[in-house]
Amino acid sequence: SYELTQPSSMSVSPGQTARITCSGDVLTKKYARWFQQKPGQAPVLVIYKDNERPSGIPERFSGSSSGTTVTLIISGAKVEDEADYYCYSATDNNLGVFGGGTELTVL
Amino acid sequence: QVQLVESGGGVVQPGTSLRLSCAASGITFSNHDMHWVRQAPGKGLEWVSVISYDGSYKYYADSLKGRFRVSRDNTKDTLYLQMSSLREDDTAVYYCATDVFSSWGQGTLVTVSS
Repeated sequence: SYELTQPSSMSVSPGQTARITCSGDVLTKKYARWFQQKPGQAPVLVIYKDNERPSGIPERFSGSSSGTTVTLIISGAKVEDEADYYCYSATDNNLGVFGGGTELTVL
Repeated sequence: QVQLVESGGGVVQPGTSLRLSCAASGITFSNHDMHWVRQAPGKGLEWVSVISYDGSYKYYADSLKGRFRVSRDNTKDTLYLQMSSLREDDTAVYYCATDVFSSWGQGTLVTVSS
């Protein structure tokens, strides 16, 4: 089975850089996407193709990739960035898989 | 502006069936593959299914074991998810999303309980 592994939680102070990792063998062959989800809301795409940012997403959000790990980077995190973050990738057999999610606290 | 509106959720008993709908507007629906994603209360996102733009291919999460069927009606700009043999662990908010996940609906809650 395909799995993507994320830390369950992390915490940063405002203005610091948050780095959320996502690991899985599928990431050597497929791009990753990252989603931000705040309580009671639908997810929002913040990164696609490992490091591309959709229009309207602040420049402090970026992504990187190395081998079996992709990383979401939030440079100069703000209190408003406090949310759950999920990585996602497609698999070789056209299925989808999400990471377990990382709860980011900014305080 | 893309809008996706899910409907059809509710409270059902185990073993029964339910059909969800996702009405799309603001996009050329027939040009886009579409996904279903669910989220159990307090849990993470789980990918459920994808259907191609023309309905010619459909894929499902292994965990569903053939109980769910995705379909679409491009004349009505609507996506469907037919769920059968529902179990209590199917309780979740069900979201539809466009092919690149740039747009999501607000979700519809399905509660399976006796």
